[in-house]
Amino acid sequence: DGGITQSPKYLFRKEGQNVTLSCEQNLNHDAMYWYRQDPGQGLRLIYYSQIVNDFQKGDIAEGYSVSREKKESFPLTVTSAQKNPTAFYLCASQSRLRDRAETQYFGPGTRLLVL
Amino acid sequence: RKEVEQDPGPFNVPEGATVAFNCTYSNSASQSFFWYRQDCRKEPKLLMSVYSSGNEDGRFTAQLNRASQYISLLIRDSKLSDSATYLCVAWSLYNQGGKLIFGQGTELSVKP
Repeated sequence: DGGITQSPKYLFRKEGQNVTLSCEQNLNHDAMYWYRQDPGQGLRLIYYSQIVNDFQKGDIAEGYSVSREKKESFPLTVTSAQKNPTAFYLCASQSRLRDRAETQYFGPGTRLLVL
Repeated sequence: RKEVEQDPGPFNVPEGATVAFNCTYSNSASQSFFWYRQDCRKEPKLLMSVYSSGNEDGRFTAQLNRASQYISLLIRDSKLSDSATYLCVAWSLYNQGGKLIFGQGTELSVKP
């Protein structure tokens, strides 16, 4: 089945630890996105990538890093510099970034909790 | 001011009721709009796209007023299964690409 997978479903981070969230898609989409959602709030854009080996900061990139070495993969690292990482993290993909007719499809999300 | 703002909610309605959600956007260059549905602790899923003045799909009708920068979602004959949070989303050109801006969501609870 085509779709977006995220792992793990739940992730626990200790103080000062870097953790990496996985996002994989087999939809052959060019663009991929990472969002953060806090309770009662909308999605906020962390990073996005239009093509392989290219990515751009979103609205809340501080404390996060990404890579896009393969078209199908866009992992997100939450670094120790992110002081409030507890949130629901959503990965999304879209077939053509400039095509207004295309919407984004979301993975099932990863819940990150700080111990 | 947030770029996309929605009714704060929550909306509590009886089964069979008609409910309307309102959404305003501040960027007049926004080109496309979407309504997503998000169930508790799940990912958002596309409900409707709105490109021109409106769109209808069964019990759901979305309307767009570009002059007033206003989008609405109407749900007729509410079902228990409609209970969810509804996200209003605007798409705008951004950095040689496109970007989705999400509202904070409006929660709907349909009661028997």
